[in-house]
Amino acid sequence: DTGVSQNPRHKITKRGQNVTFRCDPISEHNRLYWYRQTLGQGPEFLTYFQNEAQLEKSRLLSDRFSAERPKGSFSTLEIQRTEQGDSAMYLCASSLQGSYSGANVLTFGAGSRLTVL
Amino acid sequence: AQSVTQPDIHITVSEGASLELRCNYSYGATPYLFWYVQSPGQGLQLLLKYFSGDTLVQGIKGFEAEFKRSQSSFNLRKPSVHWSDAAEYFCAVAEYSGGGADGLTFGKGTHLIIQP
Repeated sequence: DTGVSQNPRHKITKRGQNVTFRCDPISEHNRLYWYRQTLGQGPEFLTYFQNEAQLEKSRLLSDRFSAERPKGSFSTLEIQRTEQGDSAMYLCASSLQGSYSGANVLTFGAGSRLTVL
Repeated sequence: AQSVTQPDIHITVSEGASLELRCNYSYGATPYLFWYVQSPGQGLQLLLKYFSGDTLVQGIKGFEAEFKRSQSSFNLRKPSVHWSDAAEYFCAVAEYSGGGADGLTFGKGTHLIIQP
């Protein structure tokens, strides 16, 4: 088990460009989450998947943000037409949600840092 | 909607001294509570969690936290800090929908500085 892997670790782009981040969760985990963390703030929930189904996406920051998890394994987060305000750390986490509907423990990746010039 | 407040943005503690980081939550039902630590360049690491039962929970690295329903608090403590404890600490509460826990709501974090 290599943990949650995120790529790239750092991305510098010009305003208006599209960027895509990839997250590889822990292999047996069925849930995958995306968070954004700006400087001096706690992580902010964006969206999550259970297997390939995106169960919550209303908190994606704008329609420029989209996420996919096509085969229920890795996920991508795409930001179109980037703006300087999109500069942040994008964190991925995964968990194993069983039949018990209680809380589950999220394991986080190291994050992908985006800088928009 | 649930929320988490960490009143202290920065805390400075001398190495070997005791530590308490404050966390207050707002949630209508019994909360599921977590403390995570984040070191520079590292992901968030779970220190401990409270789901139910004993209100004093033990975690990794010698940390413990106490759930106090009457005060809506879940403060993190350590009897003697080490220089390696310098990091950002986040308190979080689980979010719920009909399908169970959806994710976590985090506080803004407390930056812990250790003085030699």
